[in-house]
Amino acid sequence: QKEVEQDPGPLSVPEGAIVSLNCTYSNSAFQYFMWYRQYSRKGPELLMYTYSSGNKEDGRFTAQVDKSSKYISLFIRDSQPSDSATYLCAMEKDSSYKLIFGSGTRLLVRP
Amino acid sequence: GAGVSQTPSNKVTEKGKYVELRCDPISGHTALYWYRQSLGQGPEFLIYFQGTGAADDSGLPNDRFFAVRPEGSVSTLKIQRTERGDSAVYLCASSPKAGTGISFGELFFGEGSRLTVL
Repeated sequence: QKEVEQDPGPLSVPEGAIVSLNCTYSNSAFQYFMWYRQYSRKGPELLMYTYSSGNKEDGRFTAQVDKSSKYISLFIRDSQPSDSATYLCAMEKDSSYKLIFGSGTRLLVRP
Repeated sequence: GAGVSQTPSNKVTEKGKYVELRCDPISGHTALYWYRQSLGQGPEFLIYFQGTGAADDSGLPNDRFFAVRPEGSVSTLKIQRTERGDSAVYLCASSPKAGTGISFGELFFGEGSRLTVL
C-alpha cells in the first residue's frame, strides 16, 4: 500500500464548477501537506501548503486537512479552463525534506 | 536564468548506455533535489544536496545511479548501464535554504529531463 493515495481521474467539469480533489494517507507522522499543480510537460509548481490540521484559503483555492481521518482536500471555486492540469498532493514529515507525492489527479475544465 | 534549468529536455538512449542529466538551480539556492517521475505517477525522491555534499541519497534505486554537485551550484545525475525501467522524467528542484520542512523554503522544480531507454 502506498503512503499517499490519490484518485488519478481524469476529472472533467464545466467552467465555473466547484472542484474537489482529495488524498488519503497512512503515515500519521506527516505534518506538512501541500498541493502542487503540474501542466503537461512542465515541472510541478506549489499552489498551497498547510501545517498540521485546518483550512487555508488563497483566492479561488481552499486546502483542508483532517488529520484524524488522514484525509486532505483541495477545493477550486469558479474553475477556469486554465486550471486544467494534474494536481499532486504531497506530504512531509517534521524534520524531513523529502516530499511524498500522490500519483496526481488529472483535471479538465471544459469551456 | 529565472528558474531551474535542466538539460537535455529529452534524451533517447539504448539499453546499456551511460547518461548524464544536468541541473542548473536558481542562483543562490543552497538546497538541491532530484526526483524521478514515471508515467502516471507522482515524483519520487532520489537525492538531496546541501551545498556540495549529498545529505541524503537514500532514494537512489541502485549503484548505477550517482549524482554530484562539485561547486555547490550545478548538479549532474549520472546513470550507468541504463535499463528500460529507467525511462522516466527526472526532475530537479532547488530551494533557498538548506533545512527541513517546507517552512525552510518552497521547492522550485525545473521542467525535467525526459529519459527514454530503448
